[in-house]
Amino acid sequence: ELKVEQNPLFLSMQEEKNYTIYCNYSTTSDRLYWYRQDPGKSLESLFVLLSNGAVKQEGRLMASLDTKARLSTLHITAAVHDLSATYFCAVDMRNNNDMRFGAGTRLTVKP
Amino acid sequence: EAQVTQNPRYLITVTGKKLTVTCSQNMNHEYMSWYRQDPGLGLRQIYYSMNVEVTDKGDVPEGYKVSRKEKRNFPLILESPSPNQTSLYFCASSPIGQSSYEQYFGPGTRLTVT
Repeated sequence: ELKVEQNPLFLSMQEEKNYTIYCNYSTTSDRLYWYRQDPGKSLESLFVLLSNGAVKQEGRLMASLDTKARLSTLHITAAVHDLSATYFCAVDMRNNNDMRFGAGTRLTVKP
Repeated sequence: EAQVTQNPRYLITVTGKKLTVTCSQNMNHEYMSWYRQDPGLGLRQIYYSMNVEVTDKGDVPEGYKVSRKEKRNFPLILESPSPNQTSLYFCASSPIGQSSYEQYFGPGTRLTVT
């Protein structure tokens, strides 16, 4: 079965704390994407990871991909309120444009 | 401005009344895709297209049709809508054959079928 599991689904953080969101997937792929969605809005691309060991960073967010473990992580460093949103990972299953999304992680950063 | 547009943004209709949601992109992207978003389920791919006249089923194609007669347009057709197709729909596009494969999403169409 082709599936993408994201956890946690809900995450309440305090400002300045660090945390990691995990994305596991069930089949071979080396194309993984992270998106951000604000309430009532569309999806905004954050990271595109296209090979094993890929690591990308933008501000307080860093994403990595381990294709052997079929795992991607989105690490949040020193969270701030502006990062409150829902984060989705998406996997191009078998590199075949069959896109499967995780259920999303709703992140709330509290002062 | 590079963008993906969808119309309408909001639609309320009745069971069985055929409808079309349009999607257009101005970035000359080969790849276009339709998703539906339901609470707790993330986004699920309905159909995608690698280029003109080439379409493939995604994860949840039942009850939907698409066509790709022109590169810029990828309409989603519901021949006989049912209440379980009430959802938020997103269209997306991306280039193929480049290093990115990054998808650009439209603003979404909220469909209610009564």
